[in-house]
Amino acid sequence: SQKIEQNSEALNIQEGKTATLTCNYTNYSPAYLQWYRQDPGRGPVFLLLIRENEKEKRKERLKVTFDTTLKQSLFHITASQPADSATYLCAPSYYGNNRLAFGKGNQVVVIP
Amino acid sequence: DAGVIQSPRHEVTEMGQEVTLRCKPISGHDYLFWYRQTMMRGLELLIYFNNNVPIDDSGMPEDRFSAKMPNASFSTLKIQPSEPRDSAVYFCASTAVGGEAGELFFGEGSRLTVL
Repeated sequence: SQKIEQNSEALNIQEGKTATLTCNYTNYSPAYLQWYRQDPGRGPVFLLLIRENEKEKRKERLKVTFDTTLKQSLFHITASQPADSATYLCAPSYYGNNRLAFGKGNQVVVIP
Repeated sequence: DAGVIQSPRHEVTEMGQEVTLRCKPISGHDYLFWYRQTMMRGLELLIYFNNNVPIDDSGMPEDRFSAKMPNASFSTLKIQPSEPRDSAVYFCASTAVGGEAGELFFGEGSRLTVL
């Protein structure tokens, strides 16, 4: 079955730097890949969706890349701020399949 | 719109008791998902509905779990009897387009503790 791997170790980063998170998947390549943000005690919130034929997607200070050869998506937060501290989850999805499975998430801590 | 509404936000119960979690999806969303989140296993999909019909319940852990969606604006997840290993945060999410390419809107979750 498909495995979704995100780094279990928290990423501590200085304010103003770029945070980069990795999402790796095994087996077959997804048609889409979604990224969500989750704050403690809250539900996940959608951030970005990238399609398999897109190399890169941007939204404000966020950038997502999708490399189907490496079976990997990278999530970047540029000019990071303490308010960006949260857990970020990736979720690959497949044509005709509405089951959306999530990685365990990667925590980011932005240090002022 | 108020978003996805879940109740209760917190539930503490004793082993063997019945637990009912409730969800009101966003109006107009045809898909409803129930997830469970724990530190060990992350966010796991339990079941999802399309137009009030259960489509995939392969994530439901065992017969003690059941979910219903009697109409487009209400769903329940029931655990009977509850066990300590059911302690988790249960999320409901809805989307207009489906999980394939649709943005999921999550509720704030119901934190269940079974003693």
